[in-house]
Amino acid sequence: DAKTTQPTSMDCAEGRAANLPCNHSTISGNEYVYWYRQIHSQGPQYIIHGLKNNETNEMASLIITEDRKSSTLILPHATLRDTAVYYCIVRVAPQGGSEKLVFGKGTKLTVNP
Amino acid sequence: DVKVTQSSRYLVKRTGEKVFLECVQDMDHENMFWYRQDPGLGLRLIYFSYDVKMKEKGDIPEGYSVSREKKERFSLILESASTNQTSMYLCASSPAERAVGAFFGQGTRLTVV
Repeated sequence: DAKTTQPTSMDCAEGRAANLPCNHSTISGNEYVYWYRQIHSQGPQYIIHGLKNNETNEMASLIITEDRKSSTLILPHATLRDTAVYYCIVRVAPQGGSEKLVFGKGTKLTVNP
Repeated sequence: DVKVTQSSRYLVKRTGEKVFLECVQDMDHENMFWYRQDPGLGLRLIYFSYDVKMKEKGDIPEGYSVSREKKERFSLILESASTNQTSMYLCASSPAERAVGAFFGQGTRLTVV
């Protein structure tokens, strides 16, 4: 499984874009990049995922570099409710057999008023 | 909406007791996971299952076992609870299709005294 590296913490001003980086330099061709977030005392919440192309949904955008060794989650207009721990993980897509989700320690994002 | 339900939000057990943590999902997902979460350590995978009666060890299986007799239910068993198993336990499920995220329950905060 590819490992991911994220900064321990980040700050962002309310209303500004939050850009959260993730390094996954050993990712292989069939591994998706997933982002989750966890607000205090709740279970993790799925945000977005991608394989090669950039992706956007109602919550965020995901930019994946061409070599796929890193990605950035973008929250375009951060609000105080976006304060959470954000996890970048990779998920193997084998043809058969088992797989697992492996979480790192994530990035603690604090959105300041 | 996908629902992953954990049987208890809070649980207090005595050292040496046998403890069952139950997780039920209502979306016919093939994959189910058990994690524990401790301050400073992030989410750590205990066991996962990709089919009924199938299980695989995660990163920290010692002291735990699991049971998956039905597709919708995945149980985590602490054969003889110890104080170092005091933690937040999170269950998740995901479909076999690789391009879909996993869904988490709200967690069970277990205290072993």
